[in-house]
Parts: sequence; C-alpha cells; structure tokens
Amino acid sequence: LAKTTQPISMDSYEGQEVNITCSHNNIATNDYITWYQQFPSQGPRFIIQGYKTKVTNEVASLFIPADRKSSTLSLPRVSLSDTAVYYCLVELRTGGSYIPTFGRGTSLIVHP
Amino acid sequence: DAGVTQSPTHLIKTRGQQVTLRCSPKSGHDTVSWYQQALGQGPQFIFQYYEEEERQRGNFPDRFSGHQFPNYSSELNVNALLLGDSALYLCASSLFLLGTKNTEAFFGQGTRLTVV
Repeated sequence: LAKTTQPISMDSYEGQEVNITCSHNNIATNDYITWYQQFPSQGPRFIIQGYKTKVTNEVASLFIPADRKSSTLSLPRVSLSDTAVYYCLVELRTGGSYIPTFGRGTSLIVHP
Repeated sequence: DAGVTQSPTHLIKTRGQQVTLRCSPKSGHDTVSWYQQALGQGPQFIFQYYEEEERQRGNFPDRFSGHQFPNYSSELNVNALLLGDSALYLCASSLFLLGTKNTEAFFGQGTRLTVV
C-alpha cells in the first residue's frame, strides 16, 4: 500500500533548526514533492516544493535524495509562530493511477 | 487578490441530506481540487477539475460529485450524508502546467461540515 510516513510530533526551542522527514514509496517519477504548513482552523499554506537535490527559499530548505523515496524539510532558526502542523504532499500510485497524497502531518511545537 | 474563497464556512446537516459546497479559485488559476480533512488527519484528495471536467479522482464513493464552471469556480456535492462525512472540506486552486500534475496549490479556509 502506497503511503507517506512522517513523525507524529516534534518539539523544539526558539532559534533552533528543525528537520522533518517524510518517507514516500511509489512516488510518481515526474512530480514535485511539496510541503505545507497548517494552523488550526485554516487551510494548508505552501512552504516549499522541489523535484530533486536541494531547494531553498526565504523560509525553508528541502532536501531530496536521488531515489526520491524521502524528503526532509529544514526550518532554520524556528520561532514560536512556527508552531503548526507540517505536511508533505506527493503523488502516490493508488490502484491504477497516481493521486495527490498528504502525509498524516507532523505537529511541531516550538518552546520559548 | 482575494485568494481562494469557500462558502459557507460552517454547515450543519442531518444524516441522509444533500449538501453543496462552493469554491472560487485564486485569480489566474484554472484548476480546482477538493480535499476532505477529518479531525487530526491530513487532507484526503477527493477529485480535481480542469476545463470543467474531472481530471483525477481519489478513493471516494459516487456520493461525492463535483462541477466546474466556465469561470473556473467549483462546487462539491455530497449526497446521502453519513455521520462519517463530518469533516473540514478544503478547496485548492492551482495553474495547470503541461507535463506535471503537482504544482503549487493555494488552499481556502475550508468549510466545516457537521452531520448530525
């Protein structure tokens, strides 16, 4: 059964770097890996997207190994406002087709 | 730019009833996807519409149907509601790019559906 796996929760402190890894088998070969952030009672918000190797933007970095069976979201110097649930999104083979599949999410709590 | 807007924000329905949820995509976007998010779970893909046709469908029964209008807005219809249909229903819009199915999507705030 194709699925994604993320840690259920993580704790960190302000100013630290946080790395969240998502494992995904049967990923589509021609699609991006995307990470989203979600606050309570809001829709997910796009963080970063990549296809392979490393991608960096103003808020995060994304590391993707050559086999693309996992990806790691890196948040540098987290603050209290980064407390949220983080999801990876990939296209996984389900039955005869690939469909967008979110992980179950990683609840990150940042402490003062 | 209003972003993705969904209506209503909250809704209470009785088991067996039918419901219609609405979504207006972000300006310039032509593709709309719908997701169901149960409490404490990640969003689950229902289906995606592009050019007024269902392009992809997740593992949801036929009670879930949709429509996309010429202005790219979309509706999600759920018939014969079950208690288990209670969830946050999210709409996401994106721009179709040839050669890839997974481009950056913008989500609305969602519609909280409660079935009693």
